[in-house]
Amino acid sequence: KNQVEQSPQSLIILEGKNCTLQCNYTVSPFSNLRWYKQDTGRGPVSLTIMTFSENTKSNGRYTATLDADTKQSSLHITASQLSDSASYICVVSGDRGSTLGRLYFGRGTQLTVWP
Amino acid sequence: GAVVSQHPSWVICKSGTSVKIECRSLDFQATTMFWYRQFPKQSLMLMATSNEGSKATYEQGVEKDKFLINHASLTLSTLTVTSAHPEDSSFYICSAPLGFYNEQFFGPGTRLTVL
Repeated sequence: KNQVEQSPQSLIILEGKNCTLQCNYTVSPFSNLRWYKQDTGRGPVSLTIMTFSENTKSNGRYTATLDADTKQSSLHITASQLSDSASYICVVSGDRGSTLGRLYFGRGTQLTVWP
Repeated sequence: GAVVSQHPSWVICKSGTSVKIECRSLDFQATTMFWYRQFPKQSLMLMATSNEGSKATYEQGVEKDKFLINHASLTLSTLTVTSAHPEDSSFYICSAPLGFYNEQFFGPGTRLTVL
């Protein structure tokens, strides 16, 4: 069964600290993995997208890693800011190439940054 | 980056009425758009795939006669919740793919409350 599991479910950190969010998946065949940030009451916004041949990608203070062999990904946030408080969603695409395939969503990790 | 808009951003209606939600790709064309529903503290759940020029395809368990989808043009898809009931109250989000890896660009969402 194709699934995407995220951990932890929720996380509270102090402003300025780093944190790492985890995503494990069983989706096959695998094409790419995306991390999105969703603020409360808003639509998700893309942070990174990685194909099976990439093992790390950065976007400012966000760094995503991917291990396609173990089917694990992580999102590392450095020097957290209050505005980082949001839900972070891991999404795996089950297609290959340009064929529009199905997306599998994790439940998200709710991150809260305290001052 | 690509922009997807939704209208309205929130709507309150009486039970039994119908509500139309619009999803527009502002700076690109999308032959396919996706509609999701999200309950509090839950991940996005795919409801249907909207196809320009043809019928929408619905996920298992989603009533096509209740959630009418019309992909009127390459930049507009509409979701009509017919005879809405309180259990239809939710956050409805659309997305449109763009690029080789079909990166999904999400709309800001529509909060529907049925009284």
